[in-house]
Amino acid sequence: GAVVSQHPSWVICKSGTSVKIECRSLDFQATTMFWYRQFPKQSLMLMATSNEGSKATYEQGVEKDKFLINHASLTLSTLTVTSAHPEDSSFYICSASTSGRWTDTQYFGPGTRLTVL
Amino acid sequence: DQQVKQNSPSLSVQEGRISILNCDYTNSMFDYFLWYKKYPAEGPTFLISISSIKDKNEDGRFTVFLNKSAKHLSLHIVPSQPGDSAVYFCAASSNNNDMRFGAGTRLTVKP
Repeated sequence: GAVVSQHPSWVICKSGTSVKIECRSLDFQATTMFWYRQFPKQSLMLMATSNEGSKATYEQGVEKDKFLINHASLTLSTLTVTSAHPEDSSFYICSASTSGRWTDTQYFGPGTRLTVL
Repeated sequence: DQQVKQNSPSLSVQEGRISILNCDYTNSMFDYFLWYKKYPAEGPTFLISISSIKDKNEDGRFTVFLNKSAKHLSLHIVPSQPGDSAVYFCAASSNNNDMRFGAGTRLTVKP
């Protein structure tokens, strides 16, 4: 089946540093990748949608200058949390789709736990 | 704003019985609905979906019902198994790719 990996699975960093999270589709080409953030006891929050070779579309309230998304190839998207602060600590999940529509199955990565000290 | 609501944060069911997870939405533009299952420390996995042109979709032990007039959908799991214990998210989308998730319901199936 379709597999999506994320790296790293967890990361601890100091406040003010930047952290890059990778999302890879291992055995299929992902036209579209989605980035989510999960807050404790809250739902998944869609942060942005990225299509290969074009700029990501950010959801309202998500700072695009803080959460840099790059979708350089059909198998790789990266999320960079710039100048991270403790409030950015969260569980970040990506998903990949062979199309851009929510009606198609999305394959989710295992998530990355970010802790900012 | 909470356009998709799962009002029960948790549900406990005996093995073999039916589990019913509920979801309500407010945006009448939503035309596609999905359920995801999530284990701790893992990403959510797609479970089942339904288009607004249908009122029922069945896949094995999982059935999703959609009541458009009530803006309500439910996920039925029959029979429930201990391995079904997880957090279940419902999600709704519209033609403009707007996507909203519910807060999730933690299902516990007791042996």
